[in-house]
Amino acid sequence: QKEVEQDPGPLSVPEGAIVSLNCTYSNSAFQYFMWYRQYSRKGPELLMYTYSSGNKEDGRFTAQVDKSSKYISLFIRDSQPSDSATYLCAMANQAGTALIFGKGTTLSVSS
Amino acid sequence: DVKVTQSSRYLVKRTGEKVFLECVQDMDHENMFWYRQDPGLGLRLIYFSYDVKMKEKGDIPEGYSVSREKKERFSLILESASTNQTSMYLCASSGGTATGELFFGEGSRLTVL
Repeated sequence: QKEVEQDPGPLSVPEGAIVSLNCTYSNSAFQYFMWYRQYSRKGPELLMYTYSSGNKEDGRFTAQVDKSSKYISLFIRDSQPSDSATYLCAMANQAGTALIFGKGTTLSVSS
Repeated sequence: DVKVTQSSRYLVKRTGEKVFLECVQDMDHENMFWYRQDPGLGLRLIYFSYDVKMKEKGDIPEGYSVSREKKERFSLILESASTNQTSMYLCASSGGTATGELFFGEGSRLTVL
């Protein structure tokens, strides 16, 4: 079993839809959870950073961590064409030397 | 504004050539990383460095080496390029702990013929 699993998609939705992106993981020691967004031909950039369990909201984006299920989610409300990108989850434990990334989910939002 | 700069966006090299990929960050970050990104395989860590002249192997170091002579600069070296090293190479840096926010460069697309 890979440490971090993420469905690559692609996921296509109409503008205004609610999008749910998910990752599962196997290492119960992970405490830091991140979502990166990567536009085509660009490097990834940090979108959301969460420590331990719970929810975090930033505008149209909500990150959710369920450590009991080893499951993290990113919700995008009122999705826009500018949200079209690849979304990568990433996580680490306190003693980690580097982040562990999911493979990324490609999202396309059509107007 | 935070900046990680990769010297070459696109390179085409021949099999057996030595290839240098340069990365410079202007944030005084301690930690620097080299990843490669391939379709279906995601981001894979090649090497990372916590300090000047220090390096650690990542998940796929074979065929690569690195150099960090100055804090702001981290170079990836392909001693003898092979076709299976055709990929997108991404440099990143972070301050504080290595599990903090990563700042990525725009990537270097390398094609080995």
